[in-house]
Amino acid sequence: DGGITQSPKYLFRKEGQNVTLSCEQNLNHDAMYWYRQDPGQGLRLIYYSQIVNDFQKGDIAEGYSVSREKKESFPLTVTSAQKNPTAFYLCASTAQRVYNEQFFGPGTRLTVL
Amino acid sequence: EDQVTQSPEALRLQEGESSSLNCSYTVSGLRGLFWYRQDPGKGPEFLFTLYSAGEEKEKERLKATLTKKESFLHITAPKPEDSATYLCAVQAGSARQLTFGSGTQLTVLP
Repeated sequence: DGGITQSPKYLFRKEGQNVTLSCEQNLNHDAMYWYRQDPGQGLRLIYYSQIVNDFQKGDIAEGYSVSREKKESFPLTVTSAQKNPTAFYLCASTAQRVYNEQFFGPGTRLTVL
Repeated sequence: EDQVTQSPEALRLQEGESSSLNCSYTVSGLRGLFWYRQDPGKGPEFLFTLYSAGEEKEKERLKATLTKKESFLHITAPKPEDSATYLCAVQAGSARQLTFGSGTQLTVLP
């Protein structure tokens, strides 16, 4: 089965800690994306990557970092610099075509204790 | 700046009561408009892509339409299992990323 997996499903972080969220896809998609979703709000773009070893900041990149060492993997690190990290985090991917239908993983819910 | 506005924010329907959700957009050079369904605590599920004004797409009880300023998601004779948040997103110009609206939370009562 082709798809996108995210782990863990739930994550708890103490203040001052860095945490890393995993995103893996076996769809052979070139581009991958990280979004943040807060209650009652739409998805806001954190980072995206169109090719291995390259990525760009989205609208709310401050306090986050990413890497893209493999085509299949796009991990997101939430650093201690992110002041309000409690949210639902979604990873997506798309084939590198003209039109950008994105397919999403199941999400990770991060809570700061 | 690209903007996407969805209305209403929330909609409650009786089973079988047809209605429409609205997605209005302001972009430079629309390339695609996307509809997603999102169940609580899950990732969005892709429904439709519309590329040009006048285009329509259907899937079961859902039909999406597109004009130059807005898109409608028509729900015919909805069932309780259609309850979800419906998200609209646009891709414009040379951008690879999507701009999302804040969604419409649909509740269908039995």
